[in-house]
Amino acid sequence: QQQVKQSPQSLIVQKGGISIINCAYENTAFDYFPWYQQFPGKGPALLIAIRPDVSEKKEGRFTISFNKSAKQFSLHIMDSQPGDSATYFCAATLSGGYQKVTFGTGTKLQVIP
Amino acid sequence: DAGVIQSPRHEVTEMGQEVTLRCKPISGHDYLFWYRQTMMRGLELLIYFNNNVPIDDSGMPEDRFSAKMPNASFSTLKIQPSEPRDSAVYFCASSLRGARARGYEQYFGPGTRLTVT
Repeated sequence: QQQVKQSPQSLIVQKGGISIINCAYENTAFDYFPWYQQFPGKGPALLIAIRPDVSEKKEGRFTISFNKSAKQFSLHIMDSQPGDSATYFCAATLSGGYQKVTFGTGTKLQVIP
Repeated sequence: DAGVIQSPRHEVTEMGQEVTLRCKPISGHDYLFWYRQTMMRGLELLIYFNNNVPIDDSGMPEDRFSAKMPNASFSTLKIQPSEPRDSAVYFCASSLRGARARGYEQYFGPGTRLTVT
C-alpha cells in the first residue's frame, strides 16, 4: 500500500493555539516522513521531516511526533500564527534511494486573530 | 539559484487544443517530477525522470499526456488534445540524489494553472 492518509481536511485555530494534523501509513518500507507547507499560489516547500528511528523532532514551533508501532505521525504547530495559514501535506518516501514521494491529501489550516 | 522555473504561469485554452508546459529544474539536480494538483484528487505524481530518463510514468492519466526531458535543464509536459477535466495546477519539482539527509527534498516550482474551456 502506497497511501498516506491525512486528517483533518481543514482546520481553524485561534492565534496562539496549537494546530495538530495527523497522518497514517500502511507501507512499513517507508523510511522518511517529510511535511510540506504550501501557501496560496505557490508550490509546496519542505517544512520539517523525521526518520522512523526517532519519536519526535522539533524545529522552532513545529514538532513531528512519530509512532512507529501505530504507523502514525503528526505535526504540531505551537503558538499558531496567522502567517502559518497554509495547506500542509504529510508525505512518505521509500528506502533505497527511491525518490518517489507519496503525499497525503493535505490539510488547509486557517489561523484566525 | 533562481529555483525551479515553470512557464507559462497561467494557460487558458479551448478543448481539443494542444498544451505544452515547460520546466527548468535547479542546476545540478538529477531528478525531475511532474505533479498535478486539484481540489478533488490533491497532489498527484504524473511522471518522474532521473538523469533525463523517465523512471516511472504510471501516474500519467492517459495517452493524451506525454513528457520529455531532452537535457538536464529542460522538460516539457504536453497534453494533446486537452479536455476540460485536465484543468488543474501542474507543478514541476526537482531534487538531488545525494540529498538523502533531507529526505530527498523536492523543490517545487510555482506551478502552471491550466484552464481548459
